[in-house]
Amino acid sequence: QKEVEQDPGPLSVPEGAIVSLNCTYSNSAFQYFMWYRQYSRKGPELLMYTYSSGNKEDGRFTAQVDKSSKYISLFIRDSQPSDSATYLCAVNNNAGNMLTFGGGTRLMVKP
Amino acid sequence: AAGVIQSPRHLIKEKRETATLKCYPIPRHDTVYWYQQGPGQDPQFLISFYEKMQSDKGSIPDRFSAQQFSDYHSELNMSSLELGDSALYFCASSLAGNSYEQYFGPGTRLTVT
Repeated sequence: QKEVEQDPGPLSVPEGAIVSLNCTYSNSAFQYFMWYRQYSRKGPELLMYTYSSGNKEDGRFTAQVDKSSKYISLFIRDSQPSDSATYLCAVNNNAGNMLTFGGGTRLMVKP
Repeated sequence: AAGVIQSPRHLIKEKRETATLKCYPIPRHDTVYWYQQGPGQDPQFLISFYEKMQSDKGSIPDRFSAQQFSDYHSELNMSSLELGDSALYFCASSLAGNSYEQYFGPGTRLTVT
């Protein structure tokens, strides 16, 4: 079983919709939770990171972490066709350097 | 803003050949990380360096080695290449202690024929 699980999608939504992307993880030692966006054949782009439980907002993006249920979410408001990409959640305990990624969810926002 | 630079962007090698991938971190970043991403897969951590010392090791094959130089750039050396080594290789960088804030380069696409 992977340490971080993510529904691969694809998730198809109309432009302007609210998108909810989710991951679950198994190791309670993880303290940092990241969301990356990856366009085809490009490098992952860091969208935001969160420490421990709680919410963090940046523009149209909101990250949410619930450590009690080991569940992390990314919400995208007013989704745009340019948001079409693969979204990867990642976790880190900051004791080690590695990021452990979920498998990624492919999002398609249709105009 | 300056980003992570990787070279070459594309590389084609034959089986049993060697390859060297280079990574130039974001200015002032002193920690570099290498990841391998196979087709349809998520990135897998290979190895990381801080201040020229290996700081963490993941699923890096023994045929691969890496190092970090005094200007913080890093090189990934791959020998006895196999077909299964065909993948995207990403370098990421961060400030020391901020491994949760890694910024990725555009990647090197390695094709082994």
